[in-house]
Amino acid sequence: AQSVTQPDIHITVSEGASLELRCNYSYGATPYLFWYVQSPGQGLQLLLKYFSGDTLVQGIKGFEAEFKRSQSSFNLRKPSVHWSDAAEYFCAINQAGTALIFGKGTTLSVSS
Amino acid sequence: GAGVSQSPSNKVTEKGKDVELRCDPISGHTALYWYRQSLGQGLEFLIYFQGNSAPDKSGLPSDRFSAERTGGSVSTLTIQRTQQEDSAVYLCASGLGSGETQYFGPGTRLLVL
Repeated sequence: AQSVTQPDIHITVSEGASLELRCNYSYGATPYLFWYVQSPGQGLQLLLKYFSGDTLVQGIKGFEAEFKRSQSSFNLRKPSVHWSDAAEYFCAINQAGTALIFGKGTTLSVSS
Repeated sequence: GAGVSQSPSNKVTEKGKDVELRCDPISGHTALYWYRQSLGQGLEFLIYFQGNSAPDKSGLPSDRFSAERTGGSVSTLTIQRTQQEDSAVYLCASGLGSGETQYFGPGTRLLVL
């Protein structure tokens, strides 16, 4: 079955420290891959996406993600976290003409 | 430019009543999706419209849920005879076409008492 797994429900990172959020997927073929962020009471904002080509993709707000086909992973990274990055992060996949399949999300807290 | 808008932002209703939720997609976007976000179930797909094609209704949880899209633009999600388990945030997204990036609205928070 098609699915997305985000193993970490909640992560706390110190401001200025690096961040990595994990995402693994199960799909019949290589899907399109996305990371969205949701701040409290807000909708989902797209951080970055991977369709094809270079497996390291850059997104907004200093985020990047790397697609690793052999590991079926698409982990999100940021070298230095800011307090404003505290939010919930969702990894999602789809293929052309289909709806997004989301992971359960990872809540990021940033400590000072 | 303007993003996806949804109304109302919040809706409180009594069990058994019908509700209508509205979505205005980004102008020119042919694809429109409805999702539901709840604590227990996470983000779930409900229904997908693409241009003039028949909608993909495979995510609708029961026949109490229906949606329409008029003129290829505005969409209305209707929930009949609401139940407490329908309480959730209903998110709408639009995109340029199938497989393209989906842009989300702020959602409608529905509470069924």
